[in-house]
Amino acid sequence: DQQVKQNSPSLSVQEGRISILNCDYTNSMFDYFLWYKKYPAEGPTFLISISSIKDKNEDGRFTVFLNKSAKHLSLHIVPSQPGDSAVYFCAASARGLNTNAGKSTFGDGTTLTVKP
Amino acid sequence: DVKVTQSSRYLVKRTGEKVFLECVQDMDHENMFWYRQDPGLGLRLIYFSYDVKMKEKGDIPEGYSVSREKKERFSLILESASTNQTSMYLCASSWTGALQYFGAGTRLSVL
Repeated sequence: DQQVKQNSPSLSVQEGRISILNCDYTNSMFDYFLWYKKYPAEGPTFLISISSIKDKNEDGRFTVFLNKSAKHLSLHIVPSQPGDSAVYFCAASARGLNTNAGKSTFGDGTTLTVKP
Repeated sequence: DVKVTQSSRYLVKRTGEKVFLECVQDMDHENMFWYRQDPGLGLRLIYFSYDVKMKEKGDIPEGYSVSREKKERFSLILESASTNQTSMYLCASSWTGALQYFGAGTRLSVL
């Protein structure tokens, strides 16, 4: 059973427009969510996170929204730039569990292409 | 800056060979992780370790083992490499929180 799902394998947007990447989860024990960005031939790098006590977190052009009742989060990028073209992974963690050891469950990723 | 270094960027091995993938982190992190990334399958956790000499199986441990003799080093071992282990392998480390720092990855081809 896949606990974190990114249902769109790919997304293409025009430069300057908004990119919206979606993520759904099933485990109600998840209380911390992260987005990572990955360029080809590089490891993923942390982008933005949100705790379950919040419903929004913003960092520059990047905003993450969390809807706990729907078990859904989304990453908004405004405005999108060609350099944002990458694979975006959603990850979820149950920090309240003392055996967690910093473990996260990752989605399959969404490949974003921003066209000039 | 946190640095997670994977010893090889590219490896080509033969079926049946024993393969060692090494990972070193320089931030005194407690936790270390090994993932594989395959197209359409995202990041799948192979093994993780929350302390020296401690290890726990992830989601896909079959065919792999790990070693953590020192805090900064976490090794992934393929006892007898098979073609279905051709993949991108990613090492990560973290402190007590969920934020993980990743290495650049090792692309392993098993022929």
